[in-house]
Amino acid sequence: EAGVAQSPRYKIIEKRQSVAFWCNPISGHATLYWYQQILGQGPKLLIQFQNNGVVDDSQLPKDRFSAERLKGVDSTLKIQPAKLEDSAVYLCASSFFLSSTDTQYFGPGTRLTVL
Amino acid sequence: KQEVTQIPAALSVPEGENLVLNCSFTDSAIYNLQWFRQDPGKGLTSLLLIQSSQREQTSGRLNASLDKSSGRSTLYIAASQPGDSATYLCAVCGSARQLTFGSGTQLTVLP
Repeated sequence: EAGVAQSPRYKIIEKRQSVAFWCNPISGHATLYWYQQILGQGPKLLIQFQNNGVVDDSQLPKDRFSAERLKGVDSTLKIQPAKLEDSAVYLCASSFFLSSTDTQYFGPGTRLTVL
Repeated sequence: KQEVTQIPAALSVPEGENLVLNCSFTDSAIYNLQWFRQDPGKGLTSLLLIQSSQREQTSGRLNASLDKSSGRSTLYIAASQPGDSATYLCAVCGSARQLTFGSGTQLTVLP
């Protein structure tokens, strides 16, 4: 079974530039998550999708971050414009369903450096 | 707001030792607690998931316990090996089926 795919793996940009990350979840997984992991901290949930609908985006900085999941499969997370404090690893995860017994499967992440 | 704390932040042990990693959380209204492993440059791998009604889960050399009333969990690793070197993250699943993570324990097992 193929895992969660993410691209690019690394990205370096200057502040005020824009950047986009892509995620392809495990086939058949209805729930998709985007996390931000700052160095030395645990991942923090940014947004959660169930199929192509948003379940929770309360921790997404909506003035600069946006995310979509068209057709309930792939997802894109965008930052525009980027700030220095956005430097982090962005992790995508998916699970079969929104249940307390479901394990989340994580992709390798995209490491973003904002200069 | 749920807060998850992991102690210690870093741990270095010689190969073969048994060790315990600690996790505490502030809100006992949880659905489950999960332990993940994170290797440098890679994503997270789920190790164990304990439902709120369970007391412990075992997988190979790993054993995780949960005391929901006191807001604590421990991950026990038996006969540690250099390949166990990684960061171990504890995460609590709350009412919205969302995970709140601790900051992790960075484990180094010396050959």
